[in-house]
Amino acid sequence: GAGVSQSPSNKVTEKGKDVELRCDPISGHTALYWYRQSLGQGLEFLIYFQGNSAPDKSGLPSDRFSAERTGGSVSTLTIQRTQQEDSAVYLCASSLYRGRYEQYFGPGTRLTVT
Amino acid sequence: GESVGLHLPTLSVQEGDNSIINCAYSNSASDYFIWYKQESGKGPQFIIDIRSNMDKRQGQRVTVLLNKTVKHLSLQIAATQPGDSAVYFCAESGGSNYKLTFGKGTLLTVNP
Repeated sequence: GAGVSQSPSNKVTEKGKDVELRCDPISGHTALYWYRQSLGQGLEFLIYFQGNSAPDKSGLPSDRFSAERTGGSVSTLTIQRTQQEDSAVYLCASSLYRGRYEQYFGPGTRLTVT
Repeated sequence: GESVGLHLPTLSVQEGDNSIINCAYSNSASDYFIWYKQESGKGPQFIIDIRSNMDKRQGQRVTVLLNKTVKHLSLQIAATQPGDSAVYFCAESGGSNYKLTFGKGTLLTVNP
């Protein structure tokens, strides 16, 4: 079946501009995660959505970062007033439900802020 | 704070050899551990997982060993192939029932 998809695959933006990154989770998966991966680094947790519950935003690095998940499916991560340090690969993952740790990852969006 | 770390950032092996990738964790509340493989330009891919009530779990050509006494996790790959070349991440549950904490990863290079 279809896996997690993300768009765009690559995004180059100028410092100060806003960007939106999209994630389509696996159909039927109620849990959705966003991570950030800097070059040669591990995965940094950003935000978690579970069904209609309030999201866990504890990993968002600043108030320039926000995310929403509409209809319990598609999610959008928005970065406002981008900075060069925001350059990274942004990964989305979904899992079947809360308590199922196995997460399925999308290919990521590589963001470059110039 | 609590963290998941790796002993070696890189590992180079000959094709056909067995590979062992190590991981140390510090959160004693972790009851679930998972290994992911990430190939260049792709998202992490699930390899194998293990719960804290187990010491060993085997998959196809892979084995995960868990030593809770010393808080150590390892991934063994049998008869390593060029297609196994990737970055391998361990992750722990850290007491959460939904969130994983990832280590920095080990780059495995398989030489033909």
